[in-house]
Amino acid sequence: DAKTTQPPSMDCAEGRAANLPCNHSTISGNEYVYWYRQIHSQGPQYIIHGLKNNETNEMASLIITEDRKSSTLILPHATLRDTAVYYCIVRVDYTGNQFYFGTGTSLTVIP
Amino acid sequence: DTGVSQDPRHKITKRGQNVTFRCDPISEHNRLYWYRQTLGQGPEFLTYFQNEAQLEKSRLLSDRFSAERPKGSFSTLEIQRTEQGDSAMYLCASSFSGGSGNTIYFGEGSWLTVV
Repeated sequence: DAKTTQPPSMDCAEGRAANLPCNHSTISGNEYVYWYRQIHSQGPQYIIHGLKNNETNEMASLIITEDRKSSTLILPHATLRDTAVYYCIVRVDYTGNQFYFGTGTSLTVIP
Repeated sequence: DTGVSQDPRHKITKRGQNVTFRCDPISEHNRLYWYRQTLGQGPEFLTYFQNEAQLEKSRLLSDRFSAERPKGSFSTLEIQRTEQGDSAMYLCASSFSGGSGNTIYFGEGSWLTVV
């Protein structure tokens, strides 16, 4: 699986959009981009995933660049409960292979 | 609640004792995963099952660790002769291999402290 690079930490004001970047320059054509988050002492929570088109769900939006070498997770209106570590992962979707987590981005939403 | 269930949530044991964790996956999920997470690190893969077959094991899974999924439903992770370095959160996850996606859903984890 391709490796990902994320900034170790970010701050965001409450009510503003949080934009979390991820670089995955070695991504293969059949690898999806997944985002999870982990609130302190809890298990990782699935947020969203995509292959090449932008995706949106009730939690977030995922913007993938045309060359697929990077992506951005957008939380449109960050709340204090969005304070968590966010992991960007790339993997082939149809296999049983595990996710490789990095150290993620620690997002702090500031009141 | 129909999510991944793990038991116990917290376990304190003395060094050298054996411990066992149980995981109940989401109903009808045929894949089940075990991960380990230490403070400040992301989860690390240990092993995964498709139905009752254990298909992959990480080198992190030493001989003291054994995982089973006897009927393709719940799974157990046993650690024998625990060491202080085994202190971590043990995460279980499950997914369904059919359909259009293979999103993995995690449980809340089982915290192990070896004293």
